[in-house]
Amino acid sequence: GAVVSQHPSWVICKSGTSVKIECRSLDFQATTMFWYRQFPKQSLMLMATSNEGSKATYEQGVEKDKFLINHASLTLSTLTVTSAHPEDSSFYICSAPGLAEETQYFGPGTRLLVL
Amino acid sequence: AQSVTQLDSHVSVSEGTPVLLRCNYSSSYSPSLFWYVQHPNKGLQLLLKYTSAATLVKGINGFEAEFKKSETSFHLTKPSAHMSDAAEYFCVVSRQAGTALIFGKGTTLSVSS
Repeated sequence: GAVVSQHPSWVICKSGTSVKIECRSLDFQATTMFWYRQFPKQSLMLMATSNEGSKATYEQGVEKDKFLINHASLTLSTLTVTSAHPEDSSFYICSAPGLAEETQYFGPGTRLLVL
Repeated sequence: AQSVTQLDSHVSVSEGTPVLLRCNYSSSYSPSLFWYVQHPNKGLQLLLKYTSAATLVKGINGFEAEFKKSETSFHLTKPSAHMSDAAEYFCVVSRQAGTALIFGKGTTLSVSS
């Protein structure tokens, strides 16, 4: 079946630095990808919709200047957390819609810890 | 707007006993509904989905769910729990095909021997 990968799976960074997370669809093309954030013991919250060839669409309350999204190709979307702070520490998950009706493929997630 | 409410944050069962995880939905039109499972330190896995076909949906690992429009419910059941079923379960609704999913708050299932 279709696979979505994320890299890195774990990242620890210092406060104030930027971190880039990659989301790749390995054997299918995705003109759209979704980025979610999951805090400990909480549910997944949609952050933004990444669109190949156009600007990302951000959910209300998500700072687009802080969470930069680039959909560079039909198989790659990147999320850059700029000037990261401890409160940005979270589990970031991407997904991509598949060809079958109502199918979504999720990446394994990236755990970010900002010190 | 669509939303889902998982009625229990934590459910504990004994191995071999039935599992019931409750979910109610709110939608202005016929929704697509899903149950996903998340094991510790692992990615999300689709258990089953309802997309306006049969109201009783069978999924993987012996799970099934019934879509009841009159009750706006989509409860997840399994006749006999296994230790490996211990995980976080999410009831999810789709805005429309190909768009982002809306997750419930999750239910932690604990299974004791």
